[in-house]
Amino acid sequence: AQSVSQHNHHVILSEAASLELGCNYSYGGTVNLFWYVQYPGQHLQLLLKYFSGDPLVKGIKGFEAEFIKSKFSFNLRKPSVQWSDTAEYFCAVNNNNAGNMLTFGGGTRLMVKP
Amino acid sequence: GAGVSQTPSNKVTEKGKYVELRCDPISGHTALYWYRQSLGQGPEFLIYFQGTGAADDSGLPNDRFFAVRPEGSVSTLKIQRTERGDSAVYLCASSLRASRVTGELFFGEGSRLTVL
Repeated sequence: AQSVSQHNHHVILSEAASLELGCNYSYGGTVNLFWYVQYPGQHLQLLLKYFSGDPLVKGIKGFEAEFIKSKFSFNLRKPSVQWSDTAEYFCAVNNNNAGNMLTFGGGTRLMVKP
Repeated sequence: GAGVSQTPSNKVTEKGKYVELRCDPISGHTALYWYRQSLGQGPEFLIYFQGTGAADDSGLPNDRFFAVRPEGSVSTLKIQRTERGDSAVYLCASSLRASRVTGELFFGEGSRLTVL
């Protein structure tokens, strides 16, 4: 069975600081990788996704993530965070045989201080 | 509306009671998913439908949980003999189709269930 680990449960940053949220998964086969974000009071929404090709993927709002196959990782990054990035971030994975069924990590709650 | 709609948004019930949670997916989306999110955790897969049939129900925790989607659109998650441990936010998501991976699930805002 596949699983996803997000090592940082809570992160507090000041505006303009750089962000990196860790995500590791366990699955030996081909995977598709995602980051979802949940802003306060809102529903989960897709931030970015990786299927194949360039391992550095760019998403909305200046976020990017890098797939490192040898490390089973898909870390999320942003060079300079804003107060509006305060949210909970979820890494997710599926394999090609599971349709769109996703396995989520436990989430990282990010607070950006103005 | 344009998004996934879930009702009720909040449900408080007593231990042992029966509960139904409803999901209305985005029009045209053939795949529908139920997830459960407990406090401080990520969403946990329960079941997904492709059309009217349950394509994978391996995430349902036990036989007290059941879901239907009789006409391939609206789905109802049914929980019998509720227990305090069932308290969570139940999330519904839909996507265009499950057979081809697109990765984008569109989530509703969830139904928060509290079992006293």
